[in-house]
Amino acid sequence: ILNVEQSPQSLHVQEGDSTNFTCSFPSSNFYALHWYRWETAKSPEALFVMTLNGDEKKKGRISATLNTKEGYSYLYIKGSQPEDSATYLCAFFYNFNKFYFGSGTKLNVKP
Amino acid sequence: GAVVSQHPSRVICKSGTSVKIECRSLDFQATTMFWYRQFPKQSLMLMATSNEGSKATYEQGVEKDKFLINHASLTLSTLTVTSAHPEDSSFYICSARDHGTSGGGFTDTQYFGPGTRLTVL
Repeated sequence: ILNVEQSPQSLHVQEGDSTNFTCSFPSSNFYALHWYRWETAKSPEALFVMTLNGDEKKKGRISATLNTKEGYSYLYIKGSQPEDSATYLCAFFYNFNKFYFGSGTKLNVKP
Repeated sequence: GAVVSQHPSRVICKSGTSVKIECRSLDFQATTMFWYRQFPKQSLMLMATSNEGSKATYEQGVEKDKFLINHASLTLSTLTVTSAHPEDSSFYICSARDHGTSGGGFTDTQYFGPGTRLTVL
């Protein structure tokens, strides 16, 4: 079992704040790193698939960066909104055939 | 994104009974589906990889005879928890693997069902 860690475990911010969280993963045998958003009572939704060192991806106010050499990825949310409240998961895609998930960062954005 | 359904969403059963959970990809064909289990406040733990037309690949520590997986078609995989006991109570969630159009497999992603909450009394 590979170790994928996310921090912080939870985060409470005010509407309008910008925030970021971290996913760390093994730096060897890298294939891809995925980010998901998981809202309560819904299915996890894919945000980004990151494959190359130095990758930066953006989707609206959410962006992510990737450093495969040191084994981490950051997820940024600019100007958080209450609808951003969710658990954000990262998953390390290993050996082309399985995903190892972090335990997630639970974000709560207060109006 | 693609849609994956999972049924039932919630099930309560007595100890010793078997429970079947269905996972369907509604708008694409999935040769591979994954089954995960989530314990409280923990991450999604891969239980097994379900491959259409062949036997599932189970992760270390997952009992094959306890968690039967069948992937009979390109849109349906089922997980049967046999002779369920209270320790099997958990949240089970499936996903369907979608092969990316570029990147030689690197951009493959997965689409999740909404999950099944199993409670065994």
